[in-house]
Amino acid sequence: IQMTQSPSSLSASVGDRVTITCQASQDISNYVNWYQQRPGKAPKLLLSDASNLEAGVPSRFSGSGSGTDFTFTITSLQREDFATYYCQQYDTLPLTFGGGTKVEIK
Amino acid sequence: QLQLQESGPGLVKPSESLSLTCTVSGGPISSYNYYWAWIRQPPGQGLEWIGHIFFGGSTNYNPSLRSRVTISVDTSNNQFSLSLASVSAADTAIYYCARLTLESLSSGLGTRFDPWGQGTLVTVSS
Repeated sequence: IQMTQSPSSLSASVGDRVTITCQASQDISNYVNWYQQRPGKAPKLLLSDASNLEAGVPSRFSGSGSGTDFTFTITSLQREDFATYYCQQYDTLPLTFGGGTKVEIK
Repeated sequence: QLQLQESGPGLVKPSESLSLTCTVSGGPISSYNYYWAWIRQPPGQGLEWIGHIFFGGSTNYNPSLRSRVTISVDTSNNQFSLSLASVSAADTAIYYCARLTLESLSSGLGTRFDPWGQGTLVTVSS
């Protein structure tokens, strides 16, 4: 299953609302996770099942969607949120990731 | 809490085999709830699932790498390992190990990768 993420990069300011989309090549119900990867670090799981926030993850992060279209939102961008974000599907093997969205400082 | 740490050579010659080990601490690798996975990331690029293993030994591999990949588990040392044969420059990447929540043993499906090791850069070059 191909996961198409957009945009591939964006520039935003602290306090901005940021939205990233991920489109699956077929219906995957809500079987999507979202990860954050800061430079030089391993990815960190933020949301599972499309919209469930992991323990300890700030509530400014949220996700929605089902079927083929998914959205990841940061409601008020903080300095520590500048990173690359990836979606990942677990409907079918092989497990696949989106291409990533790099969120940069404007 | 659970921690994973990759180890192995940082430089491998073309056509040779890449071998990495992931040591799990803070919890047993012999869990019925999890798989143990390898993921890689070429420099500046995205993430690619390589494969995963259950402590009992059953494995699932990415079809794109299946002919060259072997993942094994050593429960006595709480470790699992990756072997990738006949490497080329295209295999240069950061290799991560991670715990994968088990969804179905029969289908081999897992759900989420969490936590991850810090990653280790493997360069393929003569």
